[in-house]
Amino acid sequence: QKEVEQDPGPLSVPEGAIVSLNCTYSNSAFQYFMWYRQYSRKGPELLMYTYSSGNKEDGRFTAQVDKSSKYISLFIRDSQPSDSATYLCAMSEGNTGNQFYFGTGTSLTVIP
Amino acid sequence: GAVVSQHPSWVICKSGTSVKIECRSLDFQATTMFWYRQFPKQSLMLMATSNEGSKATYEQGVEKDKFLINHASLTLSTLTVTSAHPEDSSFYICSAGRLGYEQYFGPGTRLTVT
Repeated sequence: QKEVEQDPGPLSVPEGAIVSLNCTYSNSAFQYFMWYRQYSRKGPELLMYTYSSGNKEDGRFTAQVDKSSKYISLFIRDSQPSDSATYLCAMSEGNTGNQFYFGTGTSLTVIP
Repeated sequence: GAVVSQHPSWVICKSGTSVKIECRSLDFQATTMFWYRQFPKQSLMLMATSNEGSKATYEQGVEKDKFLINHASLTLSTLTVTSAHPEDSSFYICSAGRLGYEQYFGPGTRLTVT
């Protein structure tokens, strides 16, 4: 079993839709949960990080972590064509230098 | 803040030659840098973790004699692909770690070996 599971998609939605992206994991020691956005042939860009369980909101983006279910989500409200990218979840136990464990990424296309 | 640069962004080399890729953290000191490899439509595969002033820790299956990593300072790490072959063609991405939960990625280097 992989440390982190993520549905690769692809996911295609109309502009303005609410997008839900999810990851599950198996390691209960993970404390930090990150979402990265990666455009084609570019490095990943950190969107949000969450420590432990709970919700975090930043503009149109909301990250949720449910440690009891080992499940994390990223919601994108009012999706825009510029949101079209691959979204990667990542997790870490949190100590400096700790390895990040990435999901396979979900490819999202927002259709104008 | 938290900008990481990579150079070159794209390199083409002949089989058997060596290629060096530089990764720099521009506005912060990174005690740890990571090197990843990414194939098309696939996720990031961690190759090695390097700490400033010490030897890199390679992931299982990664040849350390082929992928030489030098973390010379708190702002610079280099990856040298020695005796490159076409199967080494890939997208190589570095990241620099600051706090335990922060990892900032470079823009990546596309290597094509002919």
